[in-house]
Amino acid sequence: AQRVTQPEKLLSVFKGAPVELKCNYSYSGSPELFWYVQYSRQRLQLLLRHISRESIKGFTADLNKGETSFHLKKPFAQEEDSAMYYCALGGNYQLIWGAGTKLIIKP
Amino acid sequence: DAGVIQSPRHEVTEMGQEVTLRCKPISGHNSLFWYRQTMMRGLELLIYFNNNVPIDDSGMPEDRFSAKMPNASFSTLKIQPSEPRDSAVYFCASSFSRDVNEQFFGPGTRLTVL
Repeated sequence: AQRVTQPEKLLSVFKGAPVELKCNYSYSGSPELFWYVQYSRQRLQLLLRHISRESIKGFTADLNKGETSFHLKKPFAQEEDSAMYYCALGGNYQLIWGAGTKLIIKP
Repeated sequence: DAGVIQSPRHEVTEMGQEVTLRCKPISGHNSLFWYRQTMMRGLELLIYFNNNVPIDDSGMPEDRFSAKMPNASFSTLKIQPSEPRDSAVYFCASSFSRDVNEQFFGPGTRLTVL
């Protein structure tokens, strides 16, 4: 069965500290993984996708097929990173969403 | 382009009343999604349209929920009768069918059923 697991509902770190939001997936084929972000009072939007291999707003995510993971990382958290983060798996015609992790950056 | 447009932004209604949520997708997008977001369940896909045709409505909770897409620029999600447990934020999203995974979300409608 296709599934996305984000084990942490809430993650709180201090400004300047490293951040890692965990995402594990279950998929039988070749996965396409995404991170979406929802800032306070803003629309849910695409942050990055694994095939682009980009760094967006200092965030990176590497697909690890052996561990079936797609963790989102940033070396130095900033207060503006506080948001809700969703990991998603691309299926045939729709996204399969994780439950989301609320990231709080403490000053 | 103003992006995906949803109306109303907020809706407060009483149990038993009919509620209609509206969505205008981004021009040129031919895939449309309705989602429901709650604290308990997170983001749930309710229904997916492609070229105005409902492809997957397995996420629609029950017969009280219905969705239509009469043309490429408009969709509705109707709840009749509404119940307090329907209180949630309802999102509409659109995308190109050649890349359904890059979805563009509307601002959402916050529904409160008293």
